Amino acid sequence: ETGVTQTPRHLVMGMTNKKSLKCEQHLGHNAMYWYKQSAKKPLELMFVYNFKEQTENNSVPSRFSPECPNSSHLFLHLHTLQPEDSALYLCASSQEGTGLNTDTQYFGPGTRLTVL
Amino acid sequence: AQSVSQHNHHVILSEAASLELGCNYSYGGTVNLFWYVQYPGQHLQLLLKYFSGDPLVKGIKGFEAEFIKSKFSFNLRKPSVQWSDTAEYFCAVKGAGNMLTFGGGTRLMVKP
Repeated sequence: ETGVTQTPRHLVMGMTNKKSLKCEQHLGHNAMYWYKQSAKKPLELMFVYNFKEQTENNSVPSRFSPECPNSSHLFLHLHTLQPEDSALYLCASSQEGTGLNTDTQYFGPGTRLTVL
Repeated sequence: AQSVSQHNHHVILSEAASLELGCNYSYGGTVNLFWYVQYPGQHLQLLLKYFSGDPLVKGIKGFEAEFIKSKFSFNLRKPSVQWSDTAEYFCAVKGAGNMLTFGGGTRLMVKP
């Protein structure tokens, strides 16, 4: 499945570093999402972009900064993270609107982030 | 606000046993319901979904789920599991807008 790709797959960073996660979808979708998957916690929605506009920020700390330059690319800029931010960060995309194949989110493989 | 509850966190079965994973949600309006699966080392994949129509939905790999509106439930079933079904299973609900809310997941281990 190569519909949604994410880079890097693994990232180790210190608390003072600045890094970015990248997501690209090849499905022609109009909505993209960032999720956080931590051990022993449900998958948490972080941000939603519809037609490149951010429509949802689920009370995410400002040390996470999303960017959506076009409907195919989504970034998550990271700075001054904390060790508790270590998790698997998942990107997803969907086609929002009407029709049979709309409203289903397709996920990338994730970036495993470790903050030291 | 919508929420999803998966009651079984860990399930261990022998091959050929029948499977039923519980999922209950809370939301007052029309919902779309999903089951996703995450095999070891792989990304989340859609197993099946319910949007409308027949409440019994059939998905890939012999899985099915039944939407019971009166019980706010969307349980996942498979008559006979295989070792390759070992994975984590997530129920999710989508109400208004495009926010998807996930349950906590159920880890299934199938013993050969």
